[in-house]
Amino acid sequence: DTGVSQDPRHKITKRGQNVTFRCDPISEHNRLYWYRQTLGQGPEFLTYFQNEAQLEKSRLLSDRFSAERPKGSFSTLEIQRTEQGDSAMYLCASSPSGTKNIQYFGAGTRLSVL
Amino acid sequence: AQTVTQSQPEMSVQEAETVTLSCTYDTSESDYYLFWYKQPPSRQMILVIRQEAYKQQNATENRFSVNFQKAAKSFSLKISDSQLGDAAMYFCAYGGATNKLIFGTGTLLAVQP
Repeated sequence: DTGVSQDPRHKITKRGQNVTFRCDPISEHNRLYWYRQTLGQGPEFLTYFQNEAQLEKSRLLSDRFSAERPKGSFSTLEIQRTEQGDSAMYLCASSPSGTKNIQYFGAGTRLSVL
Repeated sequence: AQTVTQSQPEMSVQEAETVTLSCTYDTSESDYYLFWYKQPPSRQMILVIRQEAYKQQNATENRFSVNFQKAAKSFSLKISDSQLGDAAMYFCAYGGATNKLIFGTGTLLAVQP
């Protein structure tokens, strides 16, 4: 197993465009998390899935953001009508079920909105 | 709400020396975990060490150890025999009843040869 994989690693887009990121978790992990990290800050929680069910969403996740995990395996995070303030690193993590397990992170997708 | 505070934006240590990174947190929960994650430049975040709040014994992983003071809500990371590869951003994180992690703002550690 190669760990949590995220694609693309970098994305440059123009304001107003839609973007979609993909995350492939560690295969036996049924929990999947999305975080956002801006320059000089720690990651901030966005949302998480237990299998295909989205169980929690942060207030940071505006209506322009949507996340899916249709088959309980990979997940996508879509941002519609991007704004310059969306520029950040988007991190995905996975863990086995059960509380307080270690979360394993991917390398992230760096989004730049021009 | 839980908070995590890292008051040292940057730290520097000489190779082979020891350095301590500070972290404080606030919570009303009694059952939680605390983590230190390392994020090298342009690379993924990896777990350094984990501490379970109900365990009084401080966690240790090779050259990395923590000083967990539950009453003071303090969780510092000690790196012994520092190596060039230890240079990275270090994040303290809290994991409680919800499944999300709450991170501090990080400490950038430089290791001088």
